[in-house]
Amino acid sequence: EAEVAQSPRYKITEKSQAVAFWCDPISGHATLYWYRQILGQGPELLVQFQDESVVDDSQLPKDRFSAERLKGVDSTLKIQPAELGDSAMYLCASSLSHNSNTEAFFGQGTRLTVV
Amino acid sequence: AQSVSQHNHHVILSEAASLELGCNYSYGGTVNLFWYVQYPGQHLQLLLKYFSGDPLVKGIKGFEAEFIKSKFSFNLRKPSVQWSDTAEYFCAVNAKGGSYIPTFGRGTSLIVHP
Repeated sequence: EAEVAQSPRYKITEKSQAVAFWCDPISGHATLYWYRQILGQGPELLVQFQDESVVDDSQLPKDRFSAERLKGVDSTLKIQPAELGDSAMYLCASSLSHNSNTEAFFGQGTRLTVV
Repeated sequence: AQSVSQHNHHVILSEAASLELGCNYSYGGTVNLFWYVQYPGQHLQLLLKYFSGDPLVKGIKGFEAEFIKSKFSFNLRKPSVQWSDTAEYFCAVNAKGGSYIPTFGRGTSLIVHP
């Protein structure tokens, strides 16, 4: 069964350092999402891509977060500088298209701890 | 913008008990509705979905959900839970006609005692 791949699974970084997460969506999925999930809460969207274009990044803290999907396939989410409050699970998901009846498939996530 | 409310944050049941988890959404238009489950140590998986048609949808592992449009609700049910149903359950909605961004509730932690 096809899966969304994410790496690393766990990341510990010091405050003010840079950190990056990688995601490879299911082959053929045009839409890619990055979510942040704080313990005890539901996933919150950070950014949505359709192919290589950003569809929605209204909740992305752009002063420190950036995301790209240069070739419309895999994607990288970067935080620089990391802050203590960024400690969370970062989830990547993909779906066939952003404007059709289809569900999102999630990866295992990257658990970030900022110390 | 749409939002999702899950009223039960923590539920503890014994095996064979019946389960109902509440989910309400706020959005004036047509929506797609989902329930996702996250078992301990695993990724979010789709439990069931509603796009259109019969408002009573059946998912995996004996779960079902009913869409009641007038109540903006999509409650999850299972007549008899098992220990293996211990997990986090998330309701999600995306709005048709928009950019179909899935919006999640805060989740319900279900613990089933054997």
